[in-house]
Amino acid sequence: SQKIEQNSEALNIQEGKTATLTCNYTNYSPAYLQWYRQDPGRGPVFLLLIRENEKEKRKERLKVTFDTTLKQSLFHITASQPADSATYLCALVAISHGYALNFGKGTSLLVTP
Amino acid sequence: IAGITQAPTSQILAAGRRMTLRCTQDMRHNAMYWYRQDLGLGLRLIHYSNTAGTTGKGEVPDGYSVSRANTDDFPLTLASAVPSQTSVYFCASSEMGGETQYFGPGTRLLVL
Repeated sequence: SQKIEQNSEALNIQEGKTATLTCNYTNYSPAYLQWYRQDPGRGPVFLLLIRENEKEKRKERLKVTFDTTLKQSLFHITASQPADSATYLCALVAISHGYALNFGKGTSLLVTP
Repeated sequence: IAGITQAPTSQILAAGRRMTLRCTQDMRHNAMYWYRQDLGLGLRLIHYSNTAGTTGKGEVPDGYSVSRANTDDFPLTLASAVPSQTSVYFCASSEMGGETQYFGPGTRLLVL
């Protein structure tokens, strides 16, 4: 069956450091992968999309890598700030469900001053 | 631009009652989705619609029904609510299936 795995343990880092979150998947052949941010009590918000032919993508302090051989994506936040504290979700297309998205369970990030 | 609106924001419902969760988008997106989010289980797809007039079952469709009479609205109905349907429900939309999704603020439902 298709699985998307993200670190279930919360990630605690100090302000200014780089946060690295991992997304591993099985039984997918994705053309692209997406990352979302979710704050408590709110819906997820899209951050980045990376395609299979893109090894790396950047947006401001965010960087995503995508290794289709390892079946893994890494999500980096450089110079992290307390405002970056949230849950981060990765998502892949569920072809069997009309091309809706399947989401990982998310990794909670806490950035402390 | 409002994006996606959901109503109600929260609801306490007696088991066995019927309830419709409303979802409206103003982005003219073709595809719409309903997810439920439970602690430890993440977001799970209930139903989806790739275009007005069509719907499909997601991962956890039992006990729920949807309709898509027009582009903007995608209501989710619980015919006879059960306590296991206590959850946070998110509606989302995208221009086409598989693309970036935009989420509503969610409906928090407690079934007693």
